[in-house]
Amino acid sequence: GQQVMQIPQYQHVQEGEDFTTYCNSSTTLSNIQWYKQRPGGHPVFLIQLVKSGEVKKQKRLTFQFGEAKKNSSLHITATQTTDVGTYFCAGLASGGYQKVTFGTGTKLQVIP
Amino acid sequence: GAVVSQHPSWVICKSGTSVKIECRSLDFQATTMFWYRQFPKQSLMLMATSNEGSKATYEQGVEKDKFLINHASLTLSTLTVTSAHPEDSSFYICSARVRTGSSYNSPLHFGNGTRLTVT
Repeated sequence: GQQVMQIPQYQHVQEGEDFTTYCNSSTTLSNIQWYKQRPGGHPVFLIQLVKSGEVKKQKRLTFQFGEAKKNSSLHITATQTTDVGTYFCAGLASGGYQKVTFGTGTKLQVIP
Repeated sequence: GAVVSQHPSWVICKSGTSVKIECRSLDFQATTMFWYRQFPKQSLMLMATSNEGSKATYEQGVEKDKFLINHASLTLSTLTVTSAHPEDSSFYICSARVRTGSSYNSPLHFGNGTRLTVT
């Protein structure tokens, strides 16, 4: 079945440093979504990418969807303590099937 | 908008009893609801896809007779953990999609989750 892996699994950064998490799917995706889960909370939708090579920005966050629609990345510039949490990518398989598969997640810790 | 309410937030039950978890979309109609299970420090594992008015689609390895799903309306899905055992202790989260023309591209809206502890 479809597998979605993320690296790194954990990342500790000093406040102000940049952070990137990478997402790789075993199969071609129709779209990719990114979610953030704070400790003790539930996942919250951040953004969705649909087009091959698409790049979207949300303030300090930059999201990319690979040309082959099998990988994606999330880059945070100048991290803040409010960025702490686990970031998940979630891919919708190509072919119209409605199931979304979540990535393994990257836990970000920001040291003040 | 797009609020999903999940109840209860936490429950402690004795081994052998059944527990029902409710997932409601408060301000939208949900064509599809998804039930996930999350172990500590791990990702969300999809258990089943619940479609209004039809049988749920279970993922491989998930026992449908143990995890009963009912999606009686466009705003309510329930997950019943039957004859619970300590190994069923986990964090269960539901999510729903807003019903749109191209609903597969809609983001998922999550409930707050239910922490189940079976003693």
